[in-house]
Amino acid sequence: QQPVQSPQAVILREGEDAVINCSSSKALYSVHWYRQKHGEAPVFLMILLKGGEQKGHEKISASFNEKKQQSSLYLTASQLSYSGTYFCGTEISEKLVFGKGTKLTVNP
Amino acid sequence: NAGVMQNPRHLVRRRGQEARLRCSPMKGHSHVYWYRQLPEEGLKFMVYLQKENIIDESGMPKERFSAEFPKEGPSILRIQQVVRGDSAAYFCASSPDMTGNNEQYFGPGTRLTVT
Repeated sequence: QQPVQSPQAVILREGEDAVINCSSSKALYSVHWYRQKHGEAPVFLMILLKGGEQKGHEKISASFNEKKQQSSLYLTASQLSYSGTYFCGTEISEKLVFGKGTKLTVNP
Repeated sequence: NAGVMQNPRHLVRRRGQEARLRCSPMKGHSHVYWYRQLPEEGLKFMVYLQKENIIDESGMPKERFSAEFPKEGPSILRIQQVVRGDSAAYFCASSPDMTGNNEQYFGPGTRLTVT
């Protein structure tokens, strides 16, 4: 039931773009995205509730393809502050099941 | 508006001792979730509570672990007779009362070290 994230890790230079994918073998009703910096708590980024929904926050956006049972997180013109581990979570019976995370490193 | 609060932030216990972790949800939130995170790994769901009720404890080990969320006071995650394998970061999250939007806000976590 755990969603699968890809890639596991990505290294970028400041200003480059990245896409992080999250897919599930089960039907998805919602997808949650969080970012966690080392030694800190996960921080909520966004939640997508409907198939086809897209959301954005500054230069981070996400899409949700219900039919394909997947969501993608898009980071545009990455900044140093984007570094961290990104987790997607899928809601199953009112609890979140998280993927293993994608570690993003943005270098100057 | 204070966020989710957890204490202690760091806890060291010897094998066989008890660990008590506390979580105060955000104001207005009555749903509390506990997660465990091992180094370099993802968040594993443990238990979901509402005031005075355990809703889902499917992620809790059957023995030594218990959780409560009393009518007054913080939620408590209790680990009895700790073992080295219990060493991890334990995060608490809370969500609003409204349905249809299970947005969860995480506390800073308690890092438990069992020696």
